Amino acid sequence: AQSVTQLDSQVPVFEEAPVELRCNYSSSVSVYLFWYVQYPNQGLQLLLKYLSGSTLVKGINGFEAEFNKSQTSFHLRKPSVHISDTAEYFCAVSEYPTALIFGKGTTLSVSS
Amino acid sequence: GAGVSQSPSNKVTEKGKDVELRCDPISGHTALYWYRQRLGQGLEFLIYFQGNSAPDKSGLPSDRFSAERTGESVSTLTIQRTQQEDSAVYLCASSIPGLAVSAGELFFGEGSRLTVL
Repeated sequence: AQSVTQLDSQVPVFEEAPVELRCNYSSSVSVYLFWYVQYPNQGLQLLLKYLSGSTLVKGINGFEAEFNKSQTSFHLRKPSVHISDTAEYFCAVSEYPTALIFGKGTTLSVSS
Repeated sequence: GAGVSQSPSNKVTEKGKDVELRCDPISGHTALYWYRQRLGQGLEFLIYFQGNSAPDKSGLPSDRFSAERTGESVSTLTIQRTQQEDSAVYLCASSIPGLAVSAGELFFGEGSRLTVL
């Protein structure tokens, strides 16, 4: 069965600094990988996804993630964060056709 | 509807009572998920319905938890004899298969916050 490990529960950064949120997955078969974001007092929304093809995936709000099969990782990056990026970020994995499994989340706190 | 609708938005109950949480998915979405989000925790998968297939119940934490879905519409999550550790936000999500698991676009409701005293 698939599982997801988000290596950092909290990541504090200053505005305009780069950030990387780490995610590792465990699966015995081909997987699909996702990042979801939950802004304060809002529901979850899809940030980006990897299904196949290019290992570098671009999402909304300037975020990108790179799929690394050999390291079973799917780290999320942004070169320069804004205050508005403060949110909870969830990595998720799916082994079709089973359910989408989420990690425990990483709280990104951006301060000025 | 325009989005996934969940009710009640907040529920406070006493330990030992039964509760029912309702989810109304987006029209046409045949896949429906329930997740639990406890304070400081991630999203814990509970159950997954896909069309007329047998639901994936592998995430239900105990036999006090059950869920039903009527056709491809409303779903009800029932928790019997609630315990304090059941306190959490229960999230429902729906999607279109083919877009669901392969594309991962789950549309989430706002959640039902359950507090067990």
